[in-house]
Amino acid sequence: DAKTTQPNSMESNEEEPVHLPCNHSTISGTDYIHWYRQLPSQGPEYVIHGLTSNVNNRMASLAIAEDRKSSTLILHRATLRDAAVYYCILRGGTASKLTFGTGTRLQVTL
Amino acid sequence: DTAVSQTPKYLVTQMGNDKSIKCEQNLGHDTMYWYKQDSKKFLKIMFSYNNKELIINETVPNRFSPKSPDKAHLNLHINSLELGDSAVYFCASSRQTSTGELFFGEGSRLTVL
Repeated sequence: DAKTTQPNSMESNEEEPVHLPCNHSTISGTDYIHWYRQLPSQGPEYVIHGLTSNVNNRMASLAIAEDRKSSTLILHRATLRDAAVYYCILRGGTASKLTFGTGTRLQVTL
Repeated sequence: DTAVSQTPKYLVTQMGNDKSIKCEQNLGHDTMYWYKQDSKKFLKIMFSYNNKELIINETVPNRFSPKSPDKAHLNLHINSLELGDSAVYFCASSRQTSTGELFFGEGSRLTVL
């Protein structure tokens, strides 16, 4: 599986936007970019995924660079409940596994 | 209704014992997984089944034996438990596509004394 690189931790103030970066310079043409998050003492939770175009859903937006070597997860207004570890994962092929890295620990403060 | 449910949620046992963790999903998914999260919070895939057939086996010791009686269930049996098996085990399910999101259970915390 192609590797992703994320900062270990980030901080944000509540009600402010958060941009979580992810580098994936070895991404292949068939790899989808997935984002999951894990809140304390819970299982991972799907956030969003994309291939080439930017994507929006009720939880977040995903901005994908034109060369697909990086992407950014955008939380438009962070809340305390968004404090979690966010994982950027590449997944290609119908039988491919989801391989989690170390992720970015997001802290949200008042 | 819980989409992916695991039992038990907590399990404390002695070294050398044999234990099982059960997982059930009511989402109609074809594919189920077991992940292990150790004390350093690193999440690692162990097994994946698609329609009761093993498709991923990540070099897990053969003391770990998954069993899928039907596509809605994937159980994990562990023989001769060791201290290093202490972890949180997560079950997950998805549709069999590269974009199918994984739905995870709440985890089963295993402590081996």
